[in-house]
Amino acid sequence: NAGVMQNPRHLVRRRGQEARLRCSPMKGHSHVYWYRQLPEEGLKFMVYLQKENIIDESGMPKERFSAEFPKEGPSILRIQQVVRGDSAAYFCASSREFKSDTQYFGPGTRLTVL
Amino acid sequence: GNSVTQMEGPVTLSEEAFLTINCTYTATGYPSLFWYVQYPGEGLQLLLKATKADDKGSNKGFEATYRKETTSFHLEKGSVQVSDSAVYFCALPNSGGGADGLTFGKGTHLIIQP
Repeated sequence: NAGVMQNPRHLVRRRGQEARLRCSPMKGHSHVYWYRQLPEEGLKFMVYLQKENIIDESGMPKERFSAEFPKEGPSILRIQQVVRGDSAAYFCASSREFKSDTQYFGPGTRLTVL
Repeated sequence: GNSVTQMEGPVTLSEEAFLTINCTYTATGYPSLFWYVQYPGEGLQLLLKATKADDKGSNKGFEATYRKETTSFHLEKGSVQVSDSAVYFCALPNSGGGADGLTFGKGTHLIIQP
């Protein structure tokens, strides 16, 4: 049973470009979470999604960031017009379809903004 | 919302020493509590969890007991190995529990010397 998949593992963008990060949850999981880890800091919750629905986006910056989890395909975290402060590791996690509080994490995407 | 405080590192120990990493929490109700471990350059792995008061989670020689009277979930291991060197995160759900984003402590960097 494959774990949570994220791609790309490393992404380099210049200021002003767009970054798209993808996450495929574990088989049988329909809850997806995105977290950001800034250098030398812990993980900060960004957004929680179920298929075609955003459940909680209280941790998302108000501008430039968006997330989706379509009926088919992976979840996407999009960052428009990236700035140097967006450089971080972005982790995706998933949990089972019915009520469960155990989350399983992907390997992360390390975004570097030049 | 819920919050968690854990001791900050780095914590440096010799191989076979006894390990304690302190974690205390503030929460509404009695949510599940988690310890995650992050090895260099990797994502987070669930180490152990406890779902109710007095529960003891255990895995790979690590243990933590859910203490509601002291609101603590300290991580312990009787004899550490060099391979235990990693960053350890205490976590709990953001709020009510169930399928919800997680709130993490800042992480404790553990260094085990041979």
